[in-house]
Amino acid sequence: DVKVTQSSRYLVKRTGEKVFLECVQDMDHENMFWYRQDPGLGLRLIYFSYDVKMKEKGDIPEGYSVSREKKERFSLILESASTNQTSMYLCASSLQTEAFFGQGTRLTVV
Amino acid sequence: AQSVTQLDSQVPVFEEAPVELRCNYSSSVSVYLFWYVQYPNQGLQLLLKYLSGSTLVESINGFEAEFNKSQTSFHLRKPSVHISDTAEYFCAVRVVSGYSTLTFGKGTMLLVSP
Repeated sequence: DVKVTQSSRYLVKRTGEKVFLECVQDMDHENMFWYRQDPGLGLRLIYFSYDVKMKEKGDIPEGYSVSREKKERFSLILESASTNQTSMYLCASSLQTEAFFGQGTRLTVV
Repeated sequence: AQSVTQLDSQVPVFEEAPVELRCNYSSSVSVYLFWYVQYPNQGLQLLLKYLSGSTLVESINGFEAEFNKSQTSFHLRKPSVHISDTAEYFCAVRVVSGYSTLTFGKGTMLLVSP
């Protein structure tokens, strides 16, 4: 089975902190994604990557950056956390069809 | 660009009743179609998918969905729901060729009561 592992289930950070969300997949997938999930808004794509060191902006990249130094790992970085970034963050990986998701990280910025 | 519309944000239903969760999509090119399920405080799990071939696809737990190209729909159905089906359901599309991402609808919360 494909496994996508996010490093934390719950995080609480202070406004202005730099925050790292880590995601690792074990199936040698080329594509990896970061989504943000908010009630009533569904899943919105923040960034995706289709290869090592490659990244593309999604629908809501402002305030975020990403890093993909190795194929199995895709990191989401909040450069200076703000309260409006309080949300559920979901990482996913895929080949060309369905995506496989991690358990999610619920981030609270206070 | 692709878009997905899930017409109902919440669907309340009694146990053992049938249910249909509606999904319509918009795309100028061929797409793959998916339904995902999310239980509380968990990630998304793939429920079923349409890639090609038969337009009726089924999951192992009794759900089915039918791809209707003319109506650009991919509605999810189950003839008899259980309490354990209570969850949020997301419809998603992905372009068949090239580098592409999954585009999701806003989700439908299925609430099954006894």
